[in-house]
Amino acid sequence: SQTIHQWPATLVQPVGSPLSLECTVEGTSNPNLYWYRQAAGRGLQLLFYSVGIGQISSEVPQNLSASRPQDRQFILSSKKLLLSDSGFYLCAGSLRGRPEAFFGQGTRLTVV
Amino acid sequence: GESVGLHLPTLSVQEGDNSIINCAYSNSASDYFIWYKQESGKGPQFIIDIRSNMDKRQGQRVTVLLNKTVKHLSLQIAATQPGDSAVYFCAENPLGSGYALNFGKGTSLLVTP
Repeated sequence: SQTIHQWPATLVQPVGSPLSLECTVEGTSNPNLYWYRQAAGRGLQLLFYSVGIGQISSEVPQNLSASRPQDRQFILSSKKLLLSDSGFYLCAGSLRGRPEAFFGQGTRLTVV
Repeated sequence: GESVGLHLPTLSVQEGDNSIINCAYSNSASDYFIWYKQESGKGPQFIIDIRSNMDKRQGQRVTVLLNKTVKHLSLQIAATQPGDSAVYFCAENPLGSGYALNFGKGTSLLVTP
């Protein structure tokens, strides 16, 4: 079965500091990969998705960026965090040709 | 814009009762729907899915009903247990939209003893 590994589980960062969240996939190759953000009491907002190495699509303009340096590695970054970047970040993957996503356990980011 | 939404943000049921969580969607091009369960502080977990060529699908203690006429989706949980307490999301995959699912806001299910 496919597994998403995501770390760290929680992170507290000061405003203006950089960010790097890493996500890796096990159990499949060439997956589609996604970064979602979830605000408290809200649904999941798609931030980025990737269909292959070096291929990133952004869904919303923001202070964040994503990269996919390897097939099973997906990174969410920021050069300077804002207070509004606080939230629960989820990495997800899906198999080729199948829309259902499998999720990591998430990272709770608090920008102070 | 078109979106997936839920009728009720919270639902409280007694242990042993059946639960029904509803979801309305507005994109008539959606051809695939999924229900996810998210426990506090964790990532969503797949529960059950249904394609638009079906109107009902059953799993273990769960049933998903799809009414394309009124663009309504429901998740029924039989004999609800305390472990079912979580937030439930419906998600759609509009045909031809690409790869990512579109999620609703979620319904919080609280099971009381």
